[in-house]
Amino acid sequence: DTEVTQTPKHLVMGMTNKKSLKCEQHMGHRAMYWYKQKAKKPPELMFVYSYEKLSINESVPSRFSPECPNSSLLNLHLHALQPEDSALYLCASSQVLVSTDTQYFGPGTRLTVL
Amino acid sequence: AQSVTQLDSQVPVFEEAPVELRCNYSSSVSVYLFWYVQYPNQGLQLLLKYLSGSTLVKGINGFEAEFNKSQTSFHLRKPSVHISDTAEYFCAVIRNQGGKLIFGQGTELSVKP
Repeated sequence: DTEVTQTPKHLVMGMTNKKSLKCEQHMGHRAMYWYKQKAKKPPELMFVYSYEKLSINESVPSRFSPECPNSSLLNLHLHALQPEDSALYLCASSQVLVSTDTQYFGPGTRLTVL
Repeated sequence: AQSVTQLDSQVPVFEEAPVELRCNYSSSVSVYLFWYVQYPNQGLQLLLKYLSGSTLVKGINGFEAEFNKSQTSFHLRKPSVHISDTAEYFCAVIRNQGGKLIFGQGTELSVKP
């Protein structure tokens, strides 16, 4: 099983809302990632967790708050977003945080900020 | 720093024709190279990766790529494409000492009947 699941598939929110994106994997992977992908662009790394600890933060604005409550689950909490934050948010996981490991991607959450 | 250039933003091709998607990278250190595919409204799926060893790498769905260190290229090929290969293809690089996956801008492969 190489599946990474993400919920919800689609999310529409206003600029004053608070919402969360959820990502889950049951492959026993200990590294988990959040990427942001704008239309017709490549994914851009936002955060990396390794063994449930934040390992990389690519200078992401504080209105995005990641959380890794356990080894299978990764959340992205959203607050006071801007319309330019509308994008596809992809979660990925790998066995551990090493360069040779394959990252397995979920289908993404398509976020629209009004 | 590492960077990846995908030389073609769009590649239209007829079904059963061969295809090559071009990727060049630049890096002052050794890197690992990847090709991912993204079907419409889906996440990314690994096609193949080059870590070391044989420069010809075979992947899923009949794709293969050749690592050429002197030309800093990692072109993706398939001898005969199907309609179902229509997708966005991303070349990516990561330093072998760790770091983040850097993606190219993507190549949209469009297979026509």
